Amino acid sequence: AQTVTQSQPEMSVQEAETVTLSCTYDTSESDYYLFWYKQPPSRQMILVIRQEAYKQQNATENRFSVNFQKAAKSFSLKISDSQLGDAAMYFCAYRSGDSSYKLIFGSGTRLLVRP
Amino acid sequence: KAGVTQTPRYLIKTRGQQVTLSCSPISGHRSVSWYQQTPGQGLQFLFEYFSETQRNKGNFPGRFSGRQFSNSRSEMNVSTLELGDSALYLCASSPGTEVNEKLFFGSGTQLSVL
Repeated sequence: AQTVTQSQPEMSVQEAETVTLSCTYDTSESDYYLFWYKQPPSRQMILVIRQEAYKQQNATENRFSVNFQKAAKSFSLKISDSQLGDAAMYFCAYRSGDSSYKLIFGSGTRLLVRP
Repeated sequence: KAGVTQTPRYLIKTRGQQVTLSCSPISGHRSVSWYQQTPGQGLQFLFEYFSETQRNKGNFPGRFSGRQFSNSRSEMNVSTLELGDSALYLCASSPGTEVNEKLFFGSGTQLSVL
């Protein structure tokens, strides 16, 4: 069975600085997808970024980028130029490439942004 | 385009009762997934429906059931409620045709079982 681990329950960053959230996963599959979702106090999960396992190039979305290390099964999220609106819970998620639409989530990291 | 709508937003029930939660997906989306979020267990997949058929199911007891209607709206039912069923129930919709597609989540229904 696949598992997703987020070892940082909480992280803090100064506004305008850069922060990296860690995520590791365990799988025996070769075809899969990885996601980072953000959950603000409104509770609505919002997709931040996604990565296909077959792509070597790290995904980037504006201030958000990932460091995908397939051999190490690591998928960290880097947030550059942190803004107050980035404060939220961040969840790393895994989805198998076998057409199962099930997302497996990590336990989450709470990001605090200091003004 | 309207987002994913979940009703009600809050619900209080007592043990032994049953409850029905509703999810209206984004127009055109045919896949609806349900997740349970608790402080102890985190986010766990309940089930996924596509075109009125359950396509995937998580490891939850039979007290948890769902269905999807021809307009893609979905309902989730929990019978014989237990204290441990207290959770935020999130619904997500997507077109349902690509495995890497983006899920659009609703704001959830907060269920409290007393």
